[in-house]
Amino acid sequence: KAGVTQTPRYLIKTRGQQVTLSCSPISGHRSVSWYQQTPGQGLQFLFEYFSETQRNKGNFPGRFSGRQFSNSRSEMNVSTLELGDSALYLCASRFDRVPVSPLHFGNGTRLTVT
Amino acid sequence: KQEVTQIPAALSVPEGENLVLNCSFTDSAIYNLQWFRQDPGKGLTSLLLIQSSQREQTSGRLNASLDKSSGRSTLYIAASQPGDSATYLCAVRGTGNQFYFGTGTSLTVIP
Repeated sequence: KAGVTQTPRYLIKTRGQQVTLSCSPISGHRSVSWYQQTPGQGLQFLFEYFSETQRNKGNFPGRFSGRQFSNSRSEMNVSTLELGDSALYLCASRFDRVPVSPLHFGNGTRLTVT
Repeated sequence: KQEVTQIPAALSVPEGENLVLNCSFTDSAIYNLQWFRQDPGKGLTSLLLIQSSQREQTSGRLNASLDKSSGRSTLYIAASQPGDSATYLCAVRGTGNQFYFGTGTSLTVIP
């Protein structure tokens, strides 16, 4: 079974631009969540989608948004980029049909804002 | 709000040594706890998942324990190898379905 796939692996953007990151979950997984990882803050939860609906949201500004498609693939968008948005963005999927199912992560997208 | 702490932040041991990594959390109302390893610049690889009703889980040289009432989990690594060098993170899944991560322990195993 293929793992969680994130594209692109690396991105360099300029302040004020916007960016879209993509995540394809493991086949059969309907829950997709996004995390931001920085050296100072560690892993912080952005949001979770399940069956095309946002189920949970972390404490990030409205510039961070996401969506999920009917095939469970998810995209995350960041508008009006700031220098502080430079981070590793990780996507994770979960089976979610049993009470306890582990998170499976992709290799992330490294975003650098200049 | 759930807070997850991992101590120590960094650990360096000689090859072959047994070691213990610690994870503590403030709210004992959790569904499960998961241990991950992360290699530099990569995503997280799941190591072990312990359900809230379980006390421990084992996989090869790894053993994870959970004491929900005291808000603690440990990851025991037996006979450490240089390939075990990585950052180890724990995450707890709260009743709101959200996962909370610790800041990790950076492990270096010296050949």
